[in-house]
Amino acid sequence: DIQMTQYPSSVSASVGDRVTITCRASQGISSWLAWYQQKPGKAPKLLIYAASSLQSGVPSRFSGTGSGTDFSLTISSLQPEDFATYYCQQANSFPRTFGQGTKVEIK
Amino acid sequence: EVQLLESGGGLVQPGGSLRLSCAASGFSFSSFGMSWVRQAPGKGLEWVSAISGDSGYTYYADSVKGRFTVSRVNSRNTLYLQLSSVRVDDTALYYCTKARTDHSSREGFDYWGQGALVIVSS
Repeated sequence: DIQMTQYPSSVSASVGDRVTITCRASQGISSWLAWYQQKPGKAPKLLIYAASSLQSGVPSRFSGTGSGTDFSLTISSLQPEDFATYYCQQANSFPRTFGQGTKVEIK
Repeated sequence: EVQLLESGGGLVQPGGSLRLSCAASGFSFSSFGMSWVRQAPGKGLEWVSAISGDSGYTYYADSVKGRFTVSRVNSRNTLYLQLSSVRVDDTALYYCTKARTDHSSREGFDYWGQGALVIVSS
């Protein structure tokens, strides 16, 4: 199975900050990586698919890069509504696997 | 509008069985692969199972293989997850999810239900 490792596990940031979250796969997954945002008590929301494609309706301050084993999600200017937990997920092979999550907290 | 509505959650004893349902609407159900993803209280996301649009392919996480069964009835626009021989560590909120595209499940899950809570306890 492909293991997904996210870091940091948490980050404290202020509104307007640039935040980058990293995800590493235990083996190459081409560009088959998705990013999700989850707020407390809510279902996850798809932000990015195929490593760098922005899901419809998602603000352009979110961007994704990477291929192979190393990926990143960047929020260019953190907004109050962006404080949440973010997960990466590999979609290259079954079983699908998620990273352990990164909590973005208010500084 | 796409909607996914799970039902069937509840309290079950260790070793028992339960069936979750997910009623889908707002899209061509039979054209899309579907998955179940769970989240234990206070924990991260865990992919559980997937099924292709025509039920020709099914996949399972190692943690549930041989105990859970995914199925679908396209004429009813409904996805199922049969949980058997449940364990305490199966306690979680179970989400029904839709693949983003109808030709691949490699682009993530674009719609999620609100979840069905399964509690395994004696």
